Amino acid sequence: AQSVTQLGSHVSVSEGALVLLRCNYSSSVPPYLFWYVQYPNQGLQLLLKYTTGATLVKGINGFEAEFKKSETSFHLTKPSAHMSDAAEYFCAVSGYGNYGQNFVFGPGTRLSVLP
Amino acid sequence: GAVVSQHPSRVICKSGTSVKIECRSLDFQATTMFWYRQFPKQSLMLMATSNEGSKATYEQGVEKDKFLINHASLTLSTLTVTSAHPEDSSFYICSARAGGLPDTQYFGPGTRLTVL
Repeated sequence: AQSVTQLGSHVSVSEGALVLLRCNYSSSVPPYLFWYVQYPNQGLQLLLKYTTGATLVKGINGFEAEFKKSETSFHLTKPSAHMSDAAEYFCAVSGYGNYGQNFVFGPGTRLSVLP
Repeated sequence: GAVVSQHPSRVICKSGTSVKIECRSLDFQATTMFWYRQFPKQSLMLMATSNEGSKATYEQGVEKDKFLINHASLTLSTLTVTSAHPEDSSFYICSARAGGLPDTQYFGPGTRLTVL
């Protein structure tokens, strides 16, 4: 079974400040981990993903995340927030061999960027 | 990259009517497609897994007679909400898997269903 928790349903940062969105997972199989961003009334846009190999992954729009197996975490960071980063962010886990190989999504974190 | 489309993007219907939502993989074949539902300010919840040429597998609590899924070809899956009611109003998102690995799954842009 797999599950995802995201600490903080709402995170506010000032423009130019560090963005840190937390994600912890549980998985009975080696996890594939993803971060998606969703703007209002739109679908999901893939920010980045971890499959195997390098544990620090870089994505689009300056975001990156680090897979820490010992902490079962996959936190998303960006050094300097931009107003356009304001959106809903979802962490998701999947895994080869799990039932249906579908995604299990976290509850989401709404990021607000203050001027 | 792989593209998944959904049609329509928005639909408004009267209570009691049926609505069909299409999910297409535009540049790849998808033996498996997934349907998710997202209520306002909530996360995506898997409704069902659709396999081409076979019956869909529904998640617990999802009424298969209400949410009819047909995966008639390797590029098309449809979700029909039968006898829709206001509580069915939601954002429906499909995804399609291009290969055998979990990171080959691509999401559609979603369909906003409003039932009056």
